[in-house]
Amino acid sequence: TQLLEQSPQFLSIQEGENLTVYCNSSSVFSSLQWYRQEPGEGPVLLVTVVTGGEVKKLKRLTFQFGDARKDSSLHITAAQPGDTGLYLCAGYSGGSNYKLTFGKGTLLTVNP
Amino acid sequence: DTAVSQTPKYLVTQMGNDKSIKCEQNLGHDTMYWYKQDSKKFLKIMFSYNNKELIINETVPNRFSPKSPDKAHLNLHINSLELGDSAVYFCASSQGDRPRGYGYTFGSGTRLTVV
Repeated sequence: TQLLEQSPQFLSIQEGENLTVYCNSSSVFSSLQWYRQEPGEGPVLLVTVVTGGEVKKLKRLTFQFGDARKDSSLHITAAQPGDTGLYLCAGYSGGSNYKLTFGKGTLLTVNP
Repeated sequence: DTAVSQTPKYLVTQMGNDKSIKCEQNLGHDTMYWYKQDSKKFLKIMFSYNNKELIINETVPNRFSPKSPDKAHLNLHINSLELGDSAVYFCASSQGDRPRGYGYTFGSGTRLTVV
């Protein structure tokens, strides 16, 4: 069974601070995705990284895929209250069943 | 126009009852999924259908039975509900050959509470 470990599990910071969330596995993934989930809603895809070492930026969010495609990080610069939510990483290992394996999430709270 | 819609949003029912959750997607995707999110927010896959064919059937009690009448619909029927079935159930869809790059589109969830 492929597992994705996310850390930290909870993070509470002040507006304007920077933060990094980590997603680690002992398994290699074909791609890794990051989702954000707000209360009462389903997860929404933020980004997909597919190449080892790949870095993608989405405004103040920077996503990186590890060289060995086993881990990923999400860095947020100058966090804002609107960034509050549950951040989930999900790995796709390929194959014909199209299955995503999710980490347990990082619950981020950005205080004004 | 909601891409993946689930009904109902909330479902409160007594132990032992039978209930169904419906899901529809208008994205033209050919693969649909049911995920269960527990109280600790962990998302675990239950079932997946590709073009009406069951392709993932994780270790789920056989009280749970999915049904896909066509590739735009995936319903979940639960018999003899138990307290432990209380959770949020999410429907999702993807283009079957492209989850690697395009990911899933999720519905907004059905919060099931068994009392």
